[in-house]
Amino acid sequence: EVVLVESGGGLLQPGGSLRLSCAASGFTFSGFEMNWVRQAPGKGLEWISYISGSGYTKTYAESVKGRFTVSRDNAKNSLYLQMNSLRAEDTAVYFCARDLGIGRGWFDSWGLGTQVTVSS
Amino acid sequence: DIQMTQSPSSLSASVGDTVTITCRASQNIVNYLNWYQQKPGKAPNLLICDASNLQFGVPSRFSGSGSGTDFSLTISTLQPEDFATYYCQQSYSTPQYTFGQGTKLEIK
Repeated sequence: EVVLVESGGGLLQPGGSLRLSCAASGFTFSGFEMNWVRQAPGKGLEWISYISGSGYTKTYAESVKGRFTVSRDNAKNSLYLQMNSLRAEDTAVYFCARDLGIGRGWFDSWGLGTQVTVSS
Repeated sequence: DIQMTQSPSSLSASVGDTVTITCRASQNIVNYLNWYQQKPGKAPNLLICDASNLQFGVPSRFSGSGSGTDFSLTISTLQPEDFATYYCQQSYSTPQYTFGQGTKLEIK
């Protein structure tokens, strides 16, 4: 069974930093591209970052480019999101999601999410 | 960037009804369009890939169609468990993706 578990969320002040983790199990982690998707309170889904299976290719939404960095450790079956210069508008539940379709954007497995709240 | 616009934003229907949600892309995305269902407090669930391909285990009352810029998700004979929020997502500009703003399907 595919399982994704996010962690690392919390409450912090504007300008702060946070590192989210996503622990994967039940599949060959290195063989799948991964993404981060967030959802602000009462709002829709926003894709924010992609990383290839090797970790070589990374892309970001404009809203987080230059502030967030995605990475992965295939030996540890883990995905990470380093978030810097956080703003109130980054407040959201952050999900990691597996791409089933080798770059086809078929997000077939998701974690339960981790809450990030940015507030003074 | 490719923008995705769903309509309506919300929809009321009864068990047994058939409903259709539409999604329009700001440019031609061929058939690179996926649909998700999300229930409150839960992660999204992938329903349909590439406009019309039903994911394994998704009931056949769900169907998708369209190409180019205009797409639709139809749910036939609504069941109580279908009341949720639905999102379209373009994957034409892979590996950068965009979701629609969502359509909330509520019980009338």
